[in-house]
Amino acid sequence: GAVVSQHPSRVICKSGTSVKIECRSLDFQATTMFWYRQFPKKSLMLMATSNEGSKATYEQGVEKDKFLINHASLTLSTLTVTSAHPEDSSFYICSARTRTGSDEQYFGPGTRLTVT
Amino acid sequence: AQSVTQLDSQVPVFEEAPVELRCNYSSSVSVYLFWYVQYPNQGLQLLLKYLSGSTLVKGINGFEAEFNKSQTSFHLRKPSVHISDTAEYFCAVTPPGTASKLTFGTGTRLQVTL
Repeated sequence: GAVVSQHPSRVICKSGTSVKIECRSLDFQATTMFWYRQFPKKSLMLMATSNEGSKATYEQGVEKDKFLINHASLTLSTLTVTSAHPEDSSFYICSARTRTGSDEQYFGPGTRLTVT
Repeated sequence: AQSVTQLDSQVPVFEEAPVELRCNYSSSVSVYLFWYVQYPNQGLQLLLKYLSGSTLVKGINGFEAEFNKSQTSFHLRKPSVHISDTAEYFCAVTPPGTASKLTFGTGTRLQVTL
């Protein structure tokens, strides 16, 4: 149980375009989802916390107009990178927290974004 | 605020040898502690966690960790590693009762060779 999927697993887009990444909790309801960014050989950096039905809370230094997060249902959160630039190339990972309030997060497999 | 230090960026070890990956944390409040493993181009998988109770925690794949409050450490150990244990390992902390915002260490690359 507690499986989180991400789609796509890899995406290549041209500079200036937008790309959407989906994060789904497959077998549980997630009231809270988190979006992380991981640079090569670096740790995970929390970008934002997404609560179902409300606006996401962004970490300091993360541009909310560039990284649009929508948590429309208890099983789906999306991250849209708008007007992507090569420096947005990274590995994006989502995680989900169960509705039971457990402090454990379940992580998705990640999405490799390459902006050319 | 919390911080996590993983002192070793890389740990090379021979197969069947024991290994210890070090993790120290800093926090003004009590925390929950986690170890995650990340295989190449994959997300994170929980190895084990300490919430309360016994300070020796056993996890999956033969790993265990010991919480030492006085030394603010949560080192990960395995008595005999396998080639398949080669991966990146992350230590993380979070205060209980919050929205579970994890603070991660910088990771330790465990490289197991024959």
